[in-house]
Amino acid sequence: QITLKESGPTLVKPTQTLTLTCTFSGFSLTTSGVGVAWIRQPPGKALEWIAFIYWNDDKRYSPSLQNRVTITKDISKNQVVLTMTNVDPVDTATYYCARRLLVRGQVLDPWGQGTLVTVSS
Amino acid sequence: EIVMTQSPATLSVSPGERATLSCRASQSVSTNLAWYQQKPGQAPRLLVYGASTRATGVPARFSGSGSGTEFTLTISSLQSEDFAVYYCQQSNNWPVTFGQGTKVEIK
Repeated sequence: QITLKESGPTLVKPTQTLTLTCTFSGFSLTTSGVGVAWIRQPPGKALEWIAFIYWNDDKRYSPSLQNRVTITKDISKNQVVLTMTNVDPVDTATYYCARRLLVRGQVLDPWGQGTLVTVSS
Repeated sequence: EIVMTQSPATLSVSPGERATLSCRASQSVSTNLAWYQQKPGQAPRLLVYGASTRATGVPARFSGSGSGTEFTLTISSLQSEDFAVYYCQQSNNWPVTFGQGTKVEIK
């Protein structure tokens, strides 16, 4: 069974750095083709893709966020970490991580339960 | 960036009726199109990928079609558990982009 779970702070002040961790089980980020993505969803709004990291350490970022986000992996801990600098209230959202399905394209399945992050002073 | 436009924003349907959801891409995405279902307070769940392949465990009443720029998700006979928000997502080009969602509500 494949599971992913997000963790991190629920409240962050503006200008601070947000660090979120995705801990997964049931698959390995050393297997060819495997990837993990971060996606966010502001309250009441649509989904927004943030970043991808792959088994070969290839990384992809959303152009609108690439100057502020970094994605890394820790194979030994089965974790993927997202760091977002200089956060703003508009970054308030539920943050999800998801595994890339091993099919053509960047299909996400399954997803973690999500973690709500509020940016406020 | 490829813009994904879903219509309608809200679809009111009676249980047992058919629902047809549309997703249009601003340029061709071939068949690199997925559909997700999201219920309140839950994470999205993959329904369809490759425009028409149902994900594991997805009931046969869900079907996807289309290619290029026009896509459709059809729910043949709506069940109570199908009332949710549905998102399309393209991954033919970077960045990956989602539509704004279609809410399927009880009529």
